[in-house]
Amino acid sequence: ETGVTQTPRHLVMGMTNKKSLKCEQHLGHNAMYWYKQSAKKPLELMFVYNFKEQTENNSVPSRFSPECPNSSHLFLHLHTLQPEDSALYLCASSQELREKTYEQYFGPGTRLTVT
Amino acid sequence: AQSVTQLGSHVSVSEGALVLLRCNYSSSVPPYLFWYVQYPNQGLQLLLKYTTGATLVKGINGFEAEFKKSETSFHLTKPSAHMSDAAEYFCAVSGLSDYKLSFGAGTTVTVRA
Repeated sequence: ETGVTQTPRHLVMGMTNKKSLKCEQHLGHNAMYWYKQSAKKPLELMFVYNFKEQTENNSVPSRFSPECPNSSHLFLHLHTLQPEDSALYLCASSQELREKTYEQYFGPGTRLTVT
Repeated sequence: AQSVTQLGSHVSVSEGALVLLRCNYSSSVPPYLFWYVQYPNQGLQLLLKYTTGATLVKGINGFEAEFKKSETSFHLTKPSAHMSDAAEYFCAVSGLSDYKLSFGAGTTVTVRA
């Protein structure tokens, strides 16, 4: 595998289900991100991790719970979601956050539908 | 804080014609600027970036962009469109020492045969 991978690619879940999204990067990066992409809206940054430590939580509802066990893996645990949470969830990675900005590399995304 | 405005949510061009996608930004600090492309059912792929130095930046697939500080713009161009250029394009900005990217709303490009 190369780059950033995400599983599953598609997920349909009911509002009472619990599921998890997985992201893995094979680029040797130390920063990882979760974004939400909804139709007709700009990408929304949700969470940022740098060296496994969460550095950003962009006012995301608690029904979304991130986990970063190491610099290569990032999870997004989902529970009690709402229909408006249906979107494409994108994972990205970059070199570690320091005094300069590095470009981010994105995975293919997980298309989530909440019924 | 930084923000991005992409003028035109949809652009239609003929195959072989010029592609011009407009991006204006606002930033309180010297910006880093990026263009990403998203093909259907895929994630975002970096086309090109401007950090410092030469203001005309060349990217992949024949695209280039020019940073114009006086106009706070970073427009993306390609001299001759190809059918494979049909996709959604996003402009993004971040500030020096700020890892957060602010994305524009995106411009969808369709290419007519």
